[in-house]
Amino acid sequence: AQTVTQSQPEMSVQEAETVTLSCTYDTSENNYYLFWYKQPPSRQMILVIRQEAYKQQNATENRFSVNFQKAAKSFSLKISDSQLGDTAMYFCAFMKQTGNQFYFGTGTSLTVIP
Amino acid sequence: NAGVTQTPKFRVLKTGQSMTLLCAQDMNHEYMYWYRQDPGMGLRLIHYSVGEGTTAKGEVPDGYNVSRLKKQNFLLGLESAAPSQTSVYFCASSYSTFRTSGIYEQYFGPGTRLTVT
Repeated sequence: AQTVTQSQPEMSVQEAETVTLSCTYDTSENNYYLFWYKQPPSRQMILVIRQEAYKQQNATENRFSVNFQKAAKSFSLKISDSQLGDTAMYFCAFMKQTGNQFYFGTGTSLTVIP
Repeated sequence: NAGVTQTPKFRVLKTGQSMTLLCAQDMNHEYMYWYRQDPGMGLRLIHYSVGEGTTAKGEVPDGYNVSRLKKQNFLLGLESAAPSQTSVYFCASSYSTFRTSGIYEQYFGPGTRLTVT
């Protein structure tokens, strides 16, 4: 079975600063996908960024980027120039390439302080 | 496109009552999922479906049943609700991972908050 671990239950960051959220996973698969989802107080799950394991280049989406270390099974999310709207719960998720199930971490609650 | 919709958004049940949650998607996705979200536990998969007429158990299936009679709909049923089923329920959908190319992330509905007293 795959497991996803987010070791930081809560984090805070000053507005305009940079913050990094950690995620590690355990799998014997070689091909898979990794995702970060954001859940603001509205409860809606929103995809932030995704990474294919076969791609060496780290994914970026505007202020969001990842540090994907395949050998270490690590997939951290960096948020640059933090904004108040980034306040949310962030979930890391794993999916096998030929699978049909997501495995979620327990989430990190991020608060951006004005 | 409406994306993924869930009905109802809120519901309060008494122990022993039954109910059905409806999920609908208009993206022609093959896969659909039901999760529950509890504090400190992230999202846990209840049941999922890889196509019309097929369903499978996830991590926490006990006390729930599902049906997928139409490709766009996925129903979650509670036959005899228990206080332990108080939770927020999310439906999600995605394309099949057996497509030769595509985007496989899951698209989520807005959630249903269920309270069982």
